[in-house]
Amino acid sequence: NAGVTQTPKFQVLKTGQSMTLQCAQDMNHNSMYWYRQDPGMGLRLIYYSASEGTTDKGEVPNGYNVSRLNKREFSLRLESAAPSQTSVYFCASPGQSSYEQYFGPGTRLTVT
Amino acid sequence: DQQVKQNSPSLSVQEGRISILNCDYTNSMFDYFLWYKKYPAEGPTFLISISSIKDKNEDGRFTVFLNKSAKHLSLHIVPSQPGDSAVYFCAASEGTGGGNKLTFGTGTQLKVEL
Repeated sequence: NAGVTQTPKFQVLKTGQSMTLQCAQDMNHNSMYWYRQDPGMGLRLIYYSASEGTTDKGEVPNGYNVSRLNKREFSLRLESAAPSQTSVYFCASPGQSSYEQYFGPGTRLTVT
Repeated sequence: DQQVKQNSPSLSVQEGRISILNCDYTNSMFDYFLWYKKYPAEGPTFLISISSIKDKNEDGRFTVFLNKSAKHLSLHIVPSQPGDSAVYFCAASEGTGGGNKLTFGTGTQLKVEL
């Protein structure tokens, strides 16, 4: 997980609250990705950013917004959290090749 | 629809034996395949990959085989060690044209017993 950091590591929210998950990479890559992992579902792509200033929807974007603040940072925002957004969230950035992705340690989010 | 499938949720193998994890895919546009290993409370870690132009790639104890006609790939670990116990995810990419996004399978929990 070297090079990709995420904050916070844990968070508990009440339904309707908002929060922003932060991700930063120090590998000077153009691309960054946000995934969520749920039991029995594997990892699913929420949003990605191919370069600074651009963002695109992934497989499960509903209920989320993203911001590519600069080349280094890519944040994920929940405007009004719902219990269905209880999950573990991972940020990723390319590795040695553009095909490989290196993942951060994750943020475990619980919405009650 | 699930484009990448791992039909075995779990696998138990004795230490020293071979572990074989399987993965099937449906999207013919996938041109690069990867395996990730995940320990609890950690992010997935890249393990090994294979391009669609190859049918085998080996790295130490880990070998990935690709059968394009069957849309099937497998990961062989030999010999298996207790430290290999983890969840293994198969992933596929359409490459640059698809934004290098990864599509993951649902994972296989491998347990290597002493």
